[in-house]
Amino acid sequence: GAVVSQHPSRVICKSGTSVKIECRSLDFQATTMFWYRQFPKQSLMLMATSNEGSKATYEQGVEKDKFLINHASLTLSTLTVTSAHPEDSSFYICSATLLDRASTDTQYFGPGTRLTVL
Amino acid sequence: GNSVTQMEGPVTLSEEAFLTINCTYTATGYPSLFWYVQYPGEGLQLLLKATKADDKGSNKGFEATYRKETTSFHLEKGSVQVSDSAVYFCALSGNQGAQKLVFGQGTRLTINP
Repeated sequence: GAVVSQHPSRVICKSGTSVKIECRSLDFQATTMFWYRQFPKQSLMLMATSNEGSKATYEQGVEKDKFLINHASLTLSTLTVTSAHPEDSSFYICSATLLDRASTDTQYFGPGTRLTVL
Repeated sequence: GNSVTQMEGPVTLSEEAFLTINCTYTATGYPSLFWYVQYPGEGLQLLLKATKADDKGSNKGFEATYRKETTSFHLEKGSVQVSDSAVYFCALSGNQGAQKLVFGQGTRLTINP
């Protein structure tokens, strides 16, 4: 149980285009979903926290107009990288926490999406 | 603020060797502590966790004990396998339900046959 999927797993796009990444909790309802960015051989950097039906909370230094997050339901959150540039190339990972109160401190991670901007 | 410091890698061991990856933390209150593992080309998987002092998390032969007196959560395994090769992340979360995770920098482990 507690499976999180991401789509696509890999995307290559041209500079200036927008890319949407989906994060789904497959077998549970998620109270909160998180979006991370991971640079090669580095740790995960939290970008934003999103709750269903409300605006995402962005970490300091993350441009909310560039990284649009929509959390439309308890099982789906999307991250749109708008007007992508080569420096946005990275590994984007989402995670979700269970609606079950006893386990709300555990995050379950998706497999990640590799974005390459040419 | 909260922070996590992990033993720097990379770490290379032979199969069946004993493994320790050190992790210390700084936090207010009573955080939950986690070890996540990332296999090549995959996302993070929860390996084990502990939610209060003196708790021991264990899974797949790995263990870590929440030591509040030393603010540590070292990961250990008595006999590693080639399949344990991965990147290991220590992390903590705040003490009020679902909080954002703070990760250590990760330790790359390679096990040679």
